[in-house]
Amino acid sequence: EPEVTQTPSHQVTQMGQEVILRCVPISNHLYFYWYRQILGQKVEFLVSFYNNEISEKSEIFDDQFSVERPDGSNFTLKIRSTKLEDSAMYFCASSVGATADTQYFGPGTRLTVL
Amino acid sequence: LAKTTQPISMDSYEGQEVNITCSHNNIATNDYITWYQQFPSQGPRFIIQGYKTKVTNEVASLFIPADRKSSTLSLPRVSLSDTAVYYCLVVGGPTRDYKLSFGAGTTVTVRA
Repeated sequence: EPEVTQTPSHQVTQMGQEVILRCVPISNHLYFYWYRQILGQKVEFLVSFYNNEISEKSEIFDDQFSVERPDGSNFTLKIRSTKLEDSAMYFCASSVGATADTQYFGPGTRLTVL
Repeated sequence: LAKTTQPISMDSYEGQEVNITCSHNNIATNDYITWYQQFPSQGPRFIIQGYKTKVTNEVASLFIPADRKSSTLSLPRVSLSDTAVYYCLVVGGPTRDYKLSFGAGTTVTVRA
């Protein structure tokens, strides 16, 4: 069964450093998403991406965040200057269509900012 | 998006049926009800989705009454591995809305 993959599984970085989290969505999916979950808290939507542009973003997704689909398979989330409060699990998801279509989540990247 | 309300936690024993009821009083005509499951340190996993009446798959059943203001996820004969957080979400709607809005979910603990 196809699945969303994410690398790395765990990333440790110093405050102020840039990090890039990588995702490979399911191959025939057209919509891509990033969510995050701070330890013990809810899963929060960050951004959705379709047709090489952002279709929706949350208030969390400020100028420090960016997304890119650099080739036909990868989908990346970049945090330019990490803060302590960026420590969280980051989940990538993909779906065939939007709105009510099932979103398939990856296993997540645990980001720890020191 | 319609707001959902579900119990914070439920305890059960192996072999029992677990029913989690979710209320969504403001559900819109075009909305679907979707349930996800999340194990610790893993991404949410789709379980089941329905619009009305009853939907069943190999994992669960979803019961939706005619007024669609609530729904019940039924997990038959749970095992220890069903211990997880279960999220009820309302998706779709009259406006194009891409994101899934997760609440706190229901933490189901299955004991031996």
